[in-house]
Amino acid sequence: QKEVEQNSGPLSVPEGAIASLNCTYSDRGSQSFFWYRQYSGKSPELIMFIYSNGDKEDGRFTAQLNKASQYVSLLIRDSQPSDSATYLCAVGSSGGSYIPTFGRGTSLIVHP
Amino acid sequence: DVKVTQSSRYLVKRTGEKVFLECVQDMDHENMFWYRQDPGLGLRLIYFSYDVKMKEKGDIPEGYSVSREKKERFSLILESASTNQTSMYLCASQTVGGAGPETQYFGPGTRLLVL
Repeated sequence: QKEVEQNSGPLSVPEGAIASLNCTYSDRGSQSFFWYRQYSGKSPELIMFIYSNGDKEDGRFTAQLNKASQYVSLLIRDSQPSDSATYLCAVGSSGGSYIPTFGRGTSLIVHP
Repeated sequence: DVKVTQSSRYLVKRTGEKVFLECVQDMDHENMFWYRQDPGLGLRLIYFSYDVKMKEKGDIPEGYSVSREKKERFSLILESASTNQTSMYLCASQTVGGAGPETQYFGPGTRLLVL
């Protein structure tokens, strides 16, 4: 059973701070990793994907991947109240089925 | 932009009714998925389809069936709705192959209440 683990939170950070969201996964053969944001009552939307070890930056968001430790994280710099949402980590299948495994999500609250 | 639409945002049905949820995507994606999402349980895969008339069971297919007669349309059917099927239902589409990632694109969701 492939597993993706996230701390459910809530993670509470002040406006302007860096929010760090973490995710571990069990399938060592996974090659693709995704972060989705889901506002309350809405559907998930893709923020970033990452394939290679290291960091990938997109605006205020940075995804970090460490395949040896089976760990992927999302950093949000200069956090804004509008970043308050649940963040879902998804890990692509290594078996060619293209079915990702989703974590249960981390709730982030950015307070003014 | 990829657009995935679902037939209803909110739906109220009675126990025992047959319920149809429809999903349409406009990007010629091969794969389509149905999930349900419940508090504390995350996204759970009900069924997916990788081609017209092809379907595969996900993690929780019991009480559901699906239909994919056209590439752009994937329907979820609750044969006899029960109260434990009250949930948020999310459809997703996905392209495969090529140079890009196998990102899933989600519809807006249908919040179903079974009384």
